[in-house]
Amino acid sequence: KNEVEQSPQNLTAQEGEFITINCSYSVGISALHWLQQHPGGGIVSLFMLSSGKKKHGRLIATINIQEKHSSLHITASHPRDSAVYICAVNGNQFYFGTGTSLTVIP
Amino acid sequence: NAGVTQTPKFQVLKTGQSMTLQCAQDMNHEYMSWYRQDPGMGLRLIHYSVGAGITDQGEVPNGYNVSRSTTEDFPLRLLSAAPSQTSVYFCASSFQGGTEAFFGQGTRLTVV
Repeated sequence: KNEVEQSPQNLTAQEGEFITINCSYSVGISALHWLQQHPGGGIVSLFMLSSGKKKHGRLIATINIQEKHSSLHITASHPRDSAVYICAVNGNQFYFGTGTSLTVIP
Repeated sequence: NAGVTQTPKFQVLKTGQSMTLQCAQDMNHEYMSWYRQDPGMGLRLIHYSVGAGITDQGEVPNGYNVSRSTTEDFPLRLLSAAPSQTSVYFCASSFQGGTEAFFGQGTRLTVV
């Protein structure tokens, strides 16, 4: 069973493109997290959301609690955005999606 | 404030050997947890703790032990390593109830 589903699994974009990564979940949550993992690197938290929308630089995260859905948007994508983006939710424990591998080509 | 410190970063073990992965946090977080990350799968919960003296099993606990004698430390022990335990391991901590999670740098473990 997958409590958290992400799409797409892989994404290749040209530098400057607008990117959207989607996350759907099936459990009751207190918060949703977007995480970033660079190749060979650790995991860092980008956003924590319980409602609405948050923006940090070129990254925007939205959540619709009724539809149990969240999106991560990257505007004006850059090669340094290449990473795996992971959606995670706080239910009675953390549940993680399998990640979206993003490659931004110069 | 060092965040979450996880060691070692890399380890190679022979089948049957034991070892301990260390995890320490200095943020006074109640919740600490261990995950393994395998190709094509999301992070899977091994064990977690909601406070000193309290631990519980996650999704994939077999072959691993944990203890939480202090708020700061949450070591993960592999009792008798098996090739199936080859993976990348992450420790994480947070306050209870939907707050930001902080992750260690990960341990890449290979069991031969």
